[in-house]
Amino acid sequence: GQSLEQPSEVTAVEGAIVQINCTYQTSGFYGLSWYQQHDGGAPTFLSYNALDGLEETGRFSSFLSRSDSYGYLLLQELQMKDSASYFCAVKKSGGYQKVTFGIGTKLQVIP
Amino acid sequence: EAQVTQNPRYLITVTGKKLTVTCSQNMNHEYMSWYRQDPGLGLRQIYYSMNVEVTDKGDVPEGYKVSRKEKRNFPLILESPSPNQTSLYFCASSLADRDTEAFFGQGTRLTVV
Repeated sequence: GQSLEQPSEVTAVEGAIVQINCTYQTSGFYGLSWYQQHDGGAPTFLSYNALDGLEETGRFSSFLSRSDSYGYLLLQELQMKDSASYFCAVKKSGGYQKVTFGIGTKLQVIP
Repeated sequence: EAQVTQNPRYLITVTGKKLTVTCSQNMNHEYMSWYRQDPGLGLRQIYYSMNVEVTDKGDVPEGYKVSRKEKRNFPLILESPSPNQTSLYFCASSLADRDTEAFFGQGTRLTVV
């Protein structure tokens, strides 16, 4: 089956940079997605890597290395509003397009 | 406005009483799915549908049913709810045959007593 592993919690200081890692054991997937979820809210899409390398979207960047079965989300210039949970996810390609999410990383930004 | 609408937002029910949670999207997406979210377990896919009349099991399908008679709607049915189905449920939609941004509904918090 598919599994994605993330750290359960990360704490970082406002204005700093934080990296949230995602390692996976799966194959035959389209790419690696990242979602943000604030307490009590719905997940919202942040970033997607179809190919190896770095994708940048404003303060957020995401990286994928298929050869290392590894990806990460990089958040720069952290703001208090970035305190949330962050999930990596993959969607299987082919006939059975199941989606698997990691358990999520709860990020706490402190002053 | 592009959106996924779930109803109800909150539901308390008793064991064994059949219920349906509705989900509707206005983006003409082929792919729709249901997830449950439990503390420490993240989002787990229950069922997904790649198009009308095409549904398949996710990772935790036991105790749930779905149907996809129209492209925009994907209801989740609990024929005989049990307390272990108490959870936060999300419906999501996206394009099929590729990996694109998934849009999530606002969630349904279900309590089965």
